[in-house]
Amino acid sequence: DIQMTQSPSALSASVGDRVTITCQASQDISNYLNWYQQKPGKAPNLLIYDASNLETGVPSRFSGSGSGTDFTFTISSLQPEDIATYYCQQYDNLPYTFGQGTKLEIK
Amino acid sequence: EVQLVESGGGLVQPGGSLRLSCAASGFTFSRYSMNWVRQAPGKGLEWVSYISSSSRTIYYADSVKGRFTISRDNAKNSLYLQMNSLRDEDTAVYYCARLTVTFQFDYWGQGTLVTVSS
Repeated sequence: DIQMTQSPSALSASVGDRVTITCQASQDISNYLNWYQQKPGKAPNLLIYDASNLETGVPSRFSGSGSGTDFTFTISSLQPEDIATYYCQQYDNLPYTFGQGTKLEIK
Repeated sequence: EVQLVESGGGLVQPGGSLRLSCAASGFTFSRYSMNWVRQAPGKGLEWVSYISSSSRTIYYADSVKGRFTISRDNAKNSLYLQMNSLRDEDTAVYYCARLTVTFQFDYWGQGTLVTVSS
């Protein structure tokens, strides 16, 4: 199975800050990576697909980059409504695997 | 509007069985592959099972293989997960999720909680 390792596991930042989360795959997955946001008590919501493509309707402050084994998710200017846990997920091979999540809090 | 609504969760003893359902609406269900993804309390997301649009192709996570069975009824716009020989570690919120042709989980249900405990 492909292991996905996110860092950090938790992050505290101020409104307006630039926030970066990294995700590392245990093997080359090309750009077969998605990013999801999950708010407490809610289902995950797709934000970024194919490593860098913004899902329709998602604010442009969210972005993704990377290929191969190393990926980055960025929020350019943190907003209060961005408080959530963020997950990367690979679809290069079954089983589809997720990172362990990054819990984002407001400082 | 796309909607996925799970049902069938509840409390079950170890070794017991449960059948989850997911009712789909707002899209042509028969054109999409579907999945079950679960989340143990306070933990991350774990993919459980995949079924193609025609039911011809099915996959399972190793953790549930031989115990869980995924199925669908395109005439009823419904997805199912039959869970047998349940274990404590199967306790989780179970989500059904639609998979696009480019492999994104683009719509999720609200989830149904399965608790395995004596």
